[in-house]
Amino acid sequence: GAVVSQHPSRVICKSGTSVKIECRSLDFQATTMFWYRQFPKQSLMLMATSNEGSKATYEQGVEKDKFLINHASLTLSTLTVTSAHPEDSSFYICSARAGGEETQYFGPGTRLLVL
Amino acid sequence: DAKTTQPTSMDCAEGRAANLPCNHSTISGNEYVYWYRQIHSQGPQYIIHGLKNNETNEMASLIITEDRKSSTLILPHATLRDTAVYYCIVSPYSRTYKYIFGTGTRLKVLA
Repeated sequence: GAVVSQHPSRVICKSGTSVKIECRSLDFQATTMFWYRQFPKQSLMLMATSNEGSKATYEQGVEKDKFLINHASLTLSTLTVTSAHPEDSSFYICSARAGGEETQYFGPGTRLLVL
Repeated sequence: DAKTTQPTSMDCAEGRAANLPCNHSTISGNEYVYWYRQIHSQGPQYIIHGLKNNETNEMASLIITEDRKSSTLILPHATLRDTAVYYCIVSPYSRTYKYIFGTGTRLKVLA
């Protein structure tokens, strides 16, 4: 149990385009999902917290208009990187937590390369 | 900032126990200690968590000191597949449930 999937696993896009990454909880309902970013040889950095049916809460320094998060159902959250630039190239990881559950379960990550 | 400090790296011989320490001297009474590991280019994998009692599961044991200011993750018989970065995280039981990742410990299991 407690499986989180992400799609796509890898994506390459041109500078200026938008990319959508999906995060799904496969066997539980996730009231809260989190999005992280990880640059090479660095730790995970929390970008935002999304609660089903409400607006996401972004961490300081993360542009909410650039990283659009939608958590429209209890099993799906999406992260859209708008007008992507090469500096947005990174490993994006989501996690999900069920209501009342103490533990976060992480997806396998999406590697984004912006050319 | 992360509320935990861990050694940057450790080596362990295959088949031996790996003991990974974590310092969380500013932990609050309502904060749990969580351990995850991240194998290269994958998402973090949950290992174990605890509040104040020692915990054991099929993967590892977690020993939390009585004052809760530090803990140790024990992998009883390390294998090459246990080579990963291990993260110790403290997080409150609250609606936000934020995890703040530190730098973790890079464990290398040697054949």
